Amino acid sequence: RKEVEQDPGPFNVPEGATVAFNCTYSNSASQSFFWYRQDCRKEPKLLMSVYSSGNEDGRFTAQLNRASQYISLLIRDSKLSDSATYLCVVNRTTDSWGKFQFGAGTQVVVTP
Amino acid sequence: GAGVSQSPRYKVAKRGQDVALRCDPISGHVSLFWYQQALGQGPEFLTYFQNEAQLDKSGLPSDRFFAERPEGSVSTLKIQRTQQEDSAVYLCASSLGSGGAQETQYFGPGTRLLVL
Repeated sequence: RKEVEQDPGPFNVPEGATVAFNCTYSNSASQSFFWYRQDCRKEPKLLMSVYSSGNEDGRFTAQLNRASQYISLLIRDSKLSDSATYLCVVNRTTDSWGKFQFGAGTQVVVTP
Repeated sequence: GAGVSQSPRYKVAKRGQDVALRCDPISGHVSLFWYQQALGQGPEFLTYFQNEAQLDKSGLPSDRFFAERPEGSVSTLKIQRTQQEDSAVYLCASSLGSGGAQETQYFGPGTRLLVL
């Protein structure tokens, strides 16, 4: 079983709609969590960190559920430019540094 | 300021050739990471440097893979006797501090390696 699992999608979302998806992780020692966005043939870019209390950045809301070991991302009022692959990243501290574990990504396609 | 840069952006190698991939991290960043991303997958960790010290190389798939960062800035990932399964995008990332759990990693554009 992979340490970080995501629904690959694609999630086809009409422009203006809301979409949400989860990511599960297996290592309870995981310390921190991120969502990265990756456009086709581009590098991953940080979308947002995920905090224990949940956090919001504009149209994006991230939640962490430590008991069930998953994080979620919700996108409101979807824009065409939100079409991308969203990578879940889990980081656990090993010795003096943390190691990023990536999920395989969830593809979101926003349609006009 | 400038982000992470990588060269070459594309590399085609014949099976058995050696290749060298270069990464220029963000200036002043202490930590440098290499990842391998296969098609349709998320990046997989290869190795980690803190300044010039290679503190973790547990993700290197075989002894054909070698990485160095001799002066604590530019890093090179070398793959000897390339095989077709080495075909992937090789991503470099850097972070400001010692790579702690909360630190953001900034990625370069990657090198697309195709082994024929």
